Amino acid sequence: DTGVSQDPRHKITKRGQNVTFRCDPISEHNRLYWYRQTLGQGPEFLTYFQNEAQLEKSRLLSDRFSAERPKGSFSTLEIQRTEQGDSAMYLCASTEQFTDRYFGPGTRLTVL
Amino acid sequence: KQEVTQIPAALSVPEGENLVLNCSFTDSAIYNLQWFRQDPGKGLTSLLLIQSSQREQTSGRLNASLDKSSGRSTLYIAASQPGDSATYLCAVRDNTNAGKSTFGDGTTLTVKP
Repeated sequence: DTGVSQDPRHKITKRGQNVTFRCDPISEHNRLYWYRQTLGQGPEFLTYFQNEAQLEKSRLLSDRFSAERPKGSFSTLEIQRTEQGDSAMYLCASTEQFTDRYFGPGTRLTVL
Repeated sequence: KQEVTQIPAALSVPEGENLVLNCSFTDSAIYNLQWFRQDPGKGLTSLLLIQSSQREQTSGRLNASLDKSSGRSTLYIAASQPGDSATYLCAVRDNTNAGKSTFGDGTTLTVKP
């Protein structure tokens, strides 16, 4: 296992379009997190899964955002009707219980 | 609500210099504190993890300390090298079951040859 992977690495879309990102965590990790990072800022928590259950969501996660982890393995983050303010790096992290947290390379979203 | 502050926001030093990056947090009820490195346009690489019961951790030229009661952590980099140039982020993990992290905005370090 080479670590957390994310796909795509870059996404350019027009305002109003829907986009979906995928995260594949380290295989034995039961906890998965999504964060969003804008330029010059630290990552901000979006949502958390333990196995397939989404247990916590940030207020940053508006109704246009939805995340799933259907079989407790990979996760998807969908943004509907994208806005220019959604432009950011979307980071995924996984961990097993409270051990070291491993981040993926991120998906950079640009909304035109 | 936890708030994490990193000072300075940017730092430029000549190669070979020892340096200290600072991180402060407002809520001392943390599970652990982690220092990350981020290169431009890339994800985060974990450098050091300090559990709340620990005072410091060391890895190579890096040493991180934690004073939970005062809400402070420092990252010490010895004998800096141009390859150390990156943004360094501090993250505190809360005590809830989610264990989500609150990040500072980072210190951007430039080491000049």
